[in-house]
Amino acid sequence: DVKVTQSSRYLVKRTGEKVFLECVQDMDHENMFWYRQDPGLGLRLIYFSYDVKMKEKGDIPEGYSVSREKKERFSLILESASTNQTSMYLCASSLDFGQGQYFGPGTRLLVL
Amino acid sequence: AQTVTQSQPEMSVQEAETVTLSCTYDTSENNYYLFWYKQPPSRQMILVIRQEAYKQQNATENRFSVNFQKAAKSFSLKISDSQLGDTAMYFCAFLRGFGNEKLTFGTGTRLTIIP
Repeated sequence: DVKVTQSSRYLVKRTGEKVFLECVQDMDHENMFWYRQDPGLGLRLIYFSYDVKMKEKGDIPEGYSVSREKKERFSLILESASTNQTSMYLCASSLDFGQGQYFGPGTRLLVL
Repeated sequence: AQTVTQSQPEMSVQEAETVTLSCTYDTSENNYYLFWYKQPPSRQMILVIRQEAYKQQNATENRFSVNFQKAAKSFSLKISDSQLGDTAMYFCAFLRGFGNEKLTFGTGTRLTIIP
């Protein structure tokens, strides 16, 4: 089974802090994704990567950046956390186009 | 841009009954994929079922089946013999048939199975 893990289930940060969310997948998947999930809005794509050191903006990239130095690891960075970034963050990966994405357990981030 | 609409924010049904969750989408593409994802309370999101738009036959996975109406741009999920473990948020998602693998999700339907 594909396993996608995220470094924290819950995180509390202060406004202005730099926040790192880590995601690791163990199945050699090419594609990795970061979403945020908010009630009534569904999942919205922040960034995705289709190869090491490659990244593309999703629908809501403002305030975020990403890093993919190794194939199995995809990091989401909040450069200066703000209260409106309080949310559930989901990482996902996929191997073949159109086969569906595998999700991690999510990180619930609270920015005070 | 594609949009996905789930018009039922919440639903509930008695255990063992059948329930249908609706999903409509808007696209000008002819080739695409559709998915239903399940997110149980405090648990990981998992893929329930997928449908390729060029396939006429409706996808089925055990108790889960879809009613794919391409002309109507409708993709409903039917859960037969519902079980307590089916209690979850269900998300419908759309993927264009070419280019990058950027999914567009609906806003979700919270399904509760009542014992």
